[in-house]
Amino acid sequence: AQSVSQHNHHVILSEAASLELGCNYSYGGTVNLFWYVQYPGQHLQLLLKYFSGDPLVKGIKGFEAEFIKSKFSFNLRKPSVQWSDTAEYFCAVITYNTDKLIFGTGTRLQVFP
Amino acid sequence: NAGVTQTPKFQVLKTGQSMTLQCAQDMNHNSMYWYRQDPGMGLRLIYYSASEGTTDKGEVPNGYNVSRLNKREFSLRLESAAPSQTSVYFCASSDPRGQPYEQYFGPGTRLTVT
Repeated sequence: AQSVSQHNHHVILSEAASLELGCNYSYGGTVNLFWYVQYPGQHLQLLLKYFSGDPLVKGIKGFEAEFIKSKFSFNLRKPSVQWSDTAEYFCAVITYNTDKLIFGTGTRLQVFP
Repeated sequence: NAGVTQTPKFQVLKTGQSMTLQCAQDMNHNSMYWYRQDPGMGLRLIYYSASEGTTDKGEVPNGYNVSRLNKREFSLRLESAAPSQTSVYFCASSDPRGQPYEQYFGPGTRLTVT
């Protein structure tokens, strides 16, 4: 069965630090990849997505992610985090034989001023 | 467009009580989903509906039933609530004919079963 692993469960950073959150998936075929963000008390919002083409995708609020097919990875990055980035981040994958999203367990990011 | 709406926002039930969580979307999407979110477990799919009149089980369907009333509405029913069903429930919708497989989420229902 397909699965998504997020290795960092809780990340604590100071403002202006760089961020990289890991995401690996297990599926050998074609995939669509997503990062969702959930700010405290709010619902999930799409941060960015990869369907095809350039493996480096840019999302909202200065986030980007790189799809590395050989490593089955889709890591999320931001060069300089802000306090307002404090949230929970979920990686998710859909394979081409299903329309069901498989979520990782999430990474809680805390950014201190 | 309101997007995906859910009612209620909060609910407290006693063990054994029943209730229905409502979800509606105004984006003319074919597919709708119900997830539960628990700490450290991410979101897990309970049921989904690929189109009006069809429903399928997801990863954790036990203790739940669903109804796809029409294209807009997809309800989740707990017939006899248990403490293990304490969770935050999210409804989502998508339309593979448009942006493939991108799902739009509602604001969630926080359910506590005592």
